[in-house]
Amino acid sequence: GENVEQHPSTLSVQEGDSAVIKCTYSDSASNYFPWYKQELGKRPQLIIDIRSNVGEKKDQRIAVTLNKTAKHFSLHITETQPEDSAVYFCAATSFGNEKLTFGTGTRLTIIP
Amino acid sequence: DAGITQSPRHKVTETGTPVTLRCHQTENHRYMYWYRQDPGHGLRLIHYSYGVKDTDKGEVSDGYSVSRSKTEDFLLTLESATSSQTSVYFCAIMDWAHSGANVLTFGAGSRLTVL
Repeated sequence: GENVEQHPSTLSVQEGDSAVIKCTYSDSASNYFPWYKQELGKRPQLIIDIRSNVGEKKDQRIAVTLNKTAKHFSLHITETQPEDSAVYFCAATSFGNEKLTFGTGTRLTIIP
Repeated sequence: DAGITQSPRHKVTETGTPVTLRCHQTENHRYMYWYRQDPGHGLRLIHYSYGVKDTDKGEVSDGYSVSRSKTEDFLLTLESATSSQTSVYFCAIMDWAHSGANVLTFGAGSRLTVL
């Protein structure tokens, strides 16, 4: 089955700086990679996703990159703001698969 | 939030007692899931359902059972709770409407403490 590793487990960044979270996956059949954000005491929510037919996707201050050869994908947050403080989870699956495999999460803290 | 309701939201129980968590959805989604969230382990799949009376195990199913007698309800049962089952439990549905991608929408979570 799929195995997803996520690093770092914790990350502190000065407000306004960039943050990068990295994930690796094991199953070469995986082709869909979503990212979920969980604010303190809340439920995880999808913030961005990428399919394996593209190498990068952006949505305002967040972007995700994918390297299929190396089997890793990353979340990039630019111009970080206090509301970016949360736990971020990456996941991997094949498109249409009913199960997602999650990474262990990264707790991002934005320092004012 | 896809009309997902979890109950109870908080529960404290004693070791050895049975516990049932309920997930109710109002939008007729076929796929429903139970995850547990623990520090350092992320979100781990316990069981999932792909239709009424159709369920399958996830990666951490030992000590848990599920039932789905109606499309809208997915129950998670701990037959004899143990302290290792202290966790936050999330129900989720799979929403295929997001450009056909497999997007999970989570409920608000149920915090279970086993003393």
